[in-house]
Amino acid sequence: NAGVTQTPKFRILKIGQSMTLQCTQDMNHNYMYWYRQDPGMGLKLIYYSVGAGITDKGEVPNGYNVSRSTTEDFPLRLELAAPSQTSVYFCASSYTPESSGNTIYFGEGSWLTVV
Amino acid sequence: KNQVEQSPQSLIILEGKNCTLQCNYTVSPFSNLRWYKQDTGRGPVSLTIMTFSENTKSNRRYTATLDADTKQSSLHITASQLSDSASYICVVSDGSNDYKLSFGAGTTVTVRA
Repeated sequence: NAGVTQTPKFRILKIGQSMTLQCTQDMNHNYMYWYRQDPGMGLKLIYYSVGAGITDKGEVPNGYNVSRSTTEDFPLRLELAAPSQTSVYFCASSYTPESSGNTIYFGEGSWLTVV
Repeated sequence: KNQVEQSPQSLIILEGKNCTLQCNYTVSPFSNLRWYKQDTGRGPVSLTIMTFSENTKSNRRYTATLDADTKQSSLHITASQLSDSASYICVVSDGSNDYKLSFGAGTTVTVRA
């Protein structure tokens, strides 16, 4: 059972470049999330989705875009990469909304450096 | 503003010893509190989830406590093992927004032989 799979694991981008972080889950979860984790800080929600075709902004959405064409996939796109987007990105999914008390499953993370 | 503060920031313990991590929160109203374990270079993995009515919850050698009145939680690790070396993250939900969780910065635990 793969769970939540993210790619790539590591990536170095130049300022102004664009890229997409891929995320897929095989648990048939409706709810999916993208977080970023900066050193010494708690995870921050970037975007979330409650089902295919439905996405919404989280706490720190600026500079990012998402799409949800299928239940399984929730890619995160960085447009015009900036040094402030250097971070570790985590995709996550859950069967019900994250505040309902059900387990949230996280991917292994994607380390992104913008230089 | 909802906040989750964890202490200590880091600690080192000898294998076989116990330790306790603290989590204080200002999140209100309160819905549930979770503890996650995050190994270096990996994603967080859920240890426990506690709601308002639960005071204690155990998962193998991990025991979490919750005092909703004082807005404090603790995670106790018993008979630590080298594999317990990780960051432990406290996460609190206010229940008012289904998609808003407040994450602590984590406590880094290093277990030495």
